[in-house]
Amino acid sequence: EIVMTQSPATLSVSPGERATLSCRATQSVSNNLAWYQQKPGQAPRPLIFGASTRATGIPARFSGSGSGAEFTLTISSLQSEDFAVYYCQQYHDWPWTFGQGTKVEIK
Amino acid sequence: EVQLVESGGGLVQPGRSLRLSCRTSGFTFSDYCMSWFRQAPGKGLEWVSFSRSKRDGGTVEYAASVTGRFTISRDDSKSIAYLQMNSLKTEDTAVYYCVRSQSLITFGGGLWGQGTLVTVSS
Repeated sequence: EIVMTQSPATLSVSPGERATLSCRATQSVSNNLAWYQQKPGQAPRPLIFGASTRATGIPARFSGSGSGAEFTLTISSLQSEDFAVYYCQQYHDWPWTFGQGTKVEIK
Repeated sequence: EVQLVESGGGLVQPGRSLRLSCRTSGFTFSDYCMSWFRQAPGKGLEWVSFSRSKRDGGTVEYAASVTGRFTISRDDSKSIAYLQMNSLKTEDTAVYYCVRSQSLITFGGGLWGQGTLVTVSS
């Protein structure tokens, strides 16, 4: 099983600042990596797939990078609605697996 | 507009069964692979099961935690995906999400329903 590890667990950021979230896999997942945003009581919202492609309707301030086993989600200028939990997920091999999440909170 | 609506959740005793349904609209259901994910209260996300479309072979995949107890199926004529859950355990308590693959080529994060809560408790 591919284990996904996200860091940090919590990220405290001021509105308008940049946030950088990391996701590491125990083996290569090629570019079969998605990022999700989840707010309390809501379903996960896909942000990025294929490691770097924004899903439909996702603002340009969200960007994904990386391939193989190291990935990054960058939020260029945090807006109030961006404070949430973010998950990475690999869909390269079975079983599909998620990172434990990074909570982005207001500093 | 693509819509996925889960139903069938509720309170069930350990050892009993439950069937979840995912009614879909706004796309050609038979063309797409479908998945179920879940999230236990206060916990992270977990993939549960995957169903390939007929064009992709029609086979299925399961997480180890549900293999032998859960069965994914689909009715292409009704555009509905199902998750039959047998021998339920307290650790199966979660919100269950139905997810359509993002495209015909890749899962790509998918399109998610709003979820249905399953509570397994005596």
